Amino acid sequence: AQSVTQPDIHITVSEGASLELRCNYSYGATPYLFWYVQSPGQGLQLLLKYFSGDTLVQGIKGFEAEFKRSQSSFNLRKPSVHWSDAAEYFCAVGANSNDYKLSFGAGTTVTVRA
Amino acid sequence: DGGITQSPKYLFRKEGQNVTLSCEQNLNHDAMYWYRQDPGQGLRLIYYSQIVNDFQKGDIAEGYSVSREKKESFPLTVTSAQKNPTAFYLCASSPFGVENSPLHFGNGTRLTVT
Repeated sequence: AQSVTQPDIHITVSEGASLELRCNYSYGATPYLFWYVQSPGQGLQLLLKYFSGDTLVQGIKGFEAEFKRSQSSFNLRKPSVHWSDAAEYFCAVGANSNDYKLSFGAGTTVTVRA
Repeated sequence: DGGITQSPKYLFRKEGQNVTLSCEQNLNHDAMYWYRQDPGQGLRLIYYSQIVNDFQKGDIAEGYSVSREKKESFPLTVTSAQKNPTAFYLCASSPFGVENSPLHFGNGTRLTVT
């Protein structure tokens, strides 16, 4: 079965600074990888996804992520953080199957200071 | 606009009572899912359904039950057998059989059992 680790529980970043959220996955084959964002009391919104091809994927809200097979990682980045980026971020991995079950990491909470 | 509606947003129950959480989608998606979210634990899959009148247990199905009588609806019942029912519950859907499709989430129901 696949699994995901997000090593950082909480990150604080200044507005305008860069942000990187770490995600490591465990899966024997090529995984499907996702990053979601959740505002307090809300559902999850998809930021970006990776299935194959170019290992650097662009998402919404200025986010990007890079798939590194050798490191089993899929880190999320943003060059310049806005106060509205304060939220909880979840990395998820799906197996290469047709049941579309995802395994989620525990999440990283991002706080943005002025 | 198409989407997933979860109701109510907040639900309070006494211990020992069963409670049903509603999830309705108008996205014409075949597959629907229930996740439970607890602080620091990410999302854990309770049940999922790929077609009407069929559903499978996820990783933490004990104490829960579901039905899928209509494509649009996937209600979750939290029974009195669930030992720690207080949590944030998220419903999701996806078009089954469509490769690479991510999950679409509702805005969740926060259940508090005292």
